[in-house]
Order: sequence, then structure tokens, then C-alpha cells
Amino acid sequence: EAQVTQNPRYLITVTGKKLTVTCSQNMNHEYMSWYRQDPGLGLRQIYYSMNVEVTDKGDVPEGYKVSRKEKRNFPLILESPSPNQTSLYFCASSLSPGLVSYEQYFGPGTRLTVT
Amino acid sequence: KNQVEQSPQSLIILEGKNCTLQCNYTVSPFSNLRWYKQDTGRGPVSLTIMTFSENTKSNGRYTATLDADTKQSSLHITASQLSDSASYICVVSAGGGYQKVTFGIGTKLQVIP
Repeated sequence: EAQVTQNPRYLITVTGKKLTVTCSQNMNHEYMSWYRQDPGLGLRQIYYSMNVEVTDKGDVPEGYKVSRKEKRNFPLILESPSPNQTSLYFCASSLSPGLVSYEQYFGPGTRLTVT
Repeated sequence: KNQVEQSPQSLIILEGKNCTLQCNYTVSPFSNLRWYKQDTGRGPVSLTIMTFSENTKSNGRYTATLDADTKQSSLHITASQLSDSASYICVVSAGGGYQKVTFGIGTKLQVIP
């Protein structure tokens, strides 16, 4: 089954304790992206990756890091989480963004709480 | 600044009734517009994708329209079902690629028996 998986689905942590949220897709997609979703703000892009070893900042990259060492994986790293990073996070993937009418697939989401 | 505005913010309708959700955007240059359905606590799922040259796209009981001149889109849901209860998000992409996407806040639809 074609899908995007994220782990963990739920995480409660404390300020300053480094964490990683994993994202994996099995569709051989080139493009992957991370979003956060907060009430009243909609989804905002954190980072995206056009292909292996190619990443770039989205609209809200501060406090986050990403890496793309393999095509299927795109982990999101919070080196020193803070309470304002409490949010619902989504990973997404799609074929090459050069194609206009492509489908973007979202993962199930990771609900992160930083105390 | 690219913006996508949706209305209404929330809507309650009776099962079996039709409804229309609105999306206005100021994204430039326009590439494509998508409507997503998002169930509570789950990832968005694509309903329709429209490019500049398309003004109508259907997916079952969902029909999206696009007026690129007025920069408006609508999503019409026919014969609503309880399972249609969800948030509906309008997403507009700028340029020729996927790098610049702007999401609307969404319309929260509740279908009641």
C-alpha cells in the first residue's frame, strides 16, 4: 500500500531534550516536506526536500533541522525543543514538483507536546 | 504576500443537503489549486487539483470550480453524508513547482442527522 508513515504518532517531552520525528514513504517520491498545523493558522511549511541531499527552508524553519540521506526518509529534528513547538506535524511526499498536476500524500501526523 | 482565505470558517448542515465552500486567493503567479479533506487528527487527503486552464473538476459528490480571473474557487458538496464531516482546506501553489504552497485555514463542516 502506498503510504507515508510517521513515528511517533504522539510525543510528550520536556524543553531542551533533543528529539527526532521520522518520516518514510514507499512511493519513490522525489519531493518531501514537513508542515506544522496550529489552530487558526492552518498548515505551514517547515522544510522541504527536492531530492536526496537537497533541502531548503519553508516558511517557519526556526528551531528545526532536516536531513535527506535516502530518498525514502526525511526525518525532522528538534535540537532543543521549546513549548512554542507544541503542534501537530505532518510529513508529505509527491512526485517531482516540476509536474503541475501531481498528488501530494500526507502522513498520519505526529502530535508533539513540549512542556 | 501570498494569501488564501476561506469562508465560512465553520458550517453545520443537515444530512442530505448540499453546501458550497469558498476560497479566495492572492497567490501569484498561479500554478494550481487543490482542495483537501482533513478528518480530525488525520492527514489531509486530496479531493481535486485544478490548473489555470481548468474551471471545473469533480470527484464523486465533490465538485470544485475555479475562476482564475477573479481568483476564486468553490467546493460544492452534493447530498451530504455524515462522513463528510471534516475540515476542507484550499491550497494554492505558486510558480511552476511545488516549493511555494499557501494553505487556507480551512472550513470546518459538520453534517448532522
